[in-house]
Amino acid sequence: GAVVSQHPSWVICKSGTSVKIECRSLDFQATTMFWYRQFPKQSLMLMATSNEGSKATYEQGVEKDKFLINHASLTLSTLTVTSAHPEDSSFYICSASGPAYEQYFGPGTRLTVT
Amino acid sequence: SQQGEEDPQALSIQEGENATMNCSYKTSINNLQWYRQNSGRGLVHLILIRSNEREKHSGRLRVTLDTSKKSSSLLITASRAADTASYFCGPRSEKLVFGKGTKLTVNP
Repeated sequence: GAVVSQHPSWVICKSGTSVKIECRSLDFQATTMFWYRQFPKQSLMLMATSNEGSKATYEQGVEKDKFLINHASLTLSTLTVTSAHPEDSSFYICSASGPAYEQYFGPGTRLTVT
Repeated sequence: SQQGEEDPQALSIQEGENATMNCSYKTSINNLQWYRQNSGRGLVHLILIRSNEREKHSGRLRVTLDTSKKSSSLLITASRAADTASYFCGPRSEKLVFGKGTKLTVNP
């Protein structure tokens, strides 16, 4: 299957700083990418849908000013957690969608805010 | 968006036993897929079954689909400790929303 990468795989940052997470589809072009957040022992929660060349669509309750999403190309979407706080510590997973809505998931990024 | 709901939420079995988990959904679908997530990792696509199929096999996996009941089941035969993971289901759609999953523990 297709490969989706995420970088970094883990990151530790101080409270108040911003962190950028990259999601890349390595061998296919994805017009749509999705960002999920997963707290320990919980399911994945969809945060936003990222469409290439347009603004992201955020799910209810997700602060768009805090979680900035940029989908600048058909193979790259970025999630920036701005002014991170300890409660933003979580596992962030992206997925990229193919033409038949098949989704390929990245390996995830573990964010720890101290 | 479309969502699947997995049942049971937790399942613990011994290695070599079979594991069965179920999925229910609410709307009409064209297909349904199952994913596996190992702890701290991303999701891995296991199998997709189309609405005109009733059963599909892939290695030790057997998936059934009953569109009249809006339900699916995933059977893992001869389970191994490496099958320990959370399993999620859902229709393939423009936006995939996950249920709570079934956390499977296979004890050696």
